[in-house]
Amino acid sequence: KAGVTQTPRYLIKTRGQQVTLSCSPISGHRSVSWYQQTPGQGLQFLFEYFSETQRNKGNFPGRFSGRQFSNSRSEMNVSTLELGDSALYLCASSFGDRNRETQYFGPGTRLLVL
Amino acid sequence: GENVGLHLPTLSVQEGDNSIINCAYSNSASDYFIWYKQESGKGPQFIIDIRSNMDKRQGQRVTVLLNKTVKHLSLQIAATQPGDSAVYFCAEILNYGGSQGNLIFGKGTKLSVKP
Repeated sequence: KAGVTQTPRYLIKTRGQQVTLSCSPISGHRSVSWYQQTPGQGLQFLFEYFSETQRNKGNFPGRFSGRQFSNSRSEMNVSTLELGDSALYLCASSFGDRNRETQYFGPGTRLLVL
Repeated sequence: GENVGLHLPTLSVQEGDNSIINCAYSNSASDYFIWYKQESGKGPQFIIDIRSNMDKRQGQRVTVLLNKTVKHLSLQIAATQPGDSAVYFCAEILNYGGSQGNLIFGKGTKLSVKP
């Protein structure tokens, strides 16, 4: 079974631009979560989508948004990029219910904001 | 706020020795814990998990111990190999009202295995 895939793997943007990252979950998984990883803050939860609905949200500004499609694929968008948004953005998928919570991560998208 | 923390930021062990990576958590309501391994340039890889109704769980060369009394989690790796060199994260899930909660990660411990 294919793992979680994320595109693109690397991205360079300038301040003020916006970016869209894509995540395809493991087949059969209905929950997709997004995390930001930086050396200073570690892994921080952004949001979780389940059945096209945002089910959980972390403490990030409104510039960070996401959505999920009917095939469970998910995108996240960051508008008005800031230098501090440079990070590894990780997507994780799971079945999405309490008895099958294990989240499996993709390789991440490394975003550099100049 | 409540978070998951790690006692040691770095751990260096000799190949063949056993490794123990520790983690403290502060939320007694957490009922599910996971250890992840992250190699350079890759996303976190699931190693082993444990629910709060258990105190020990074994996998292949790995054992997770959960001590709810002192809110402590540990990962034991037997016969550590060079391929085990990575950053290890513990994570907890806070479940709210029955729906799945999000993962809260510790800062990570870097394990270096000396040949």
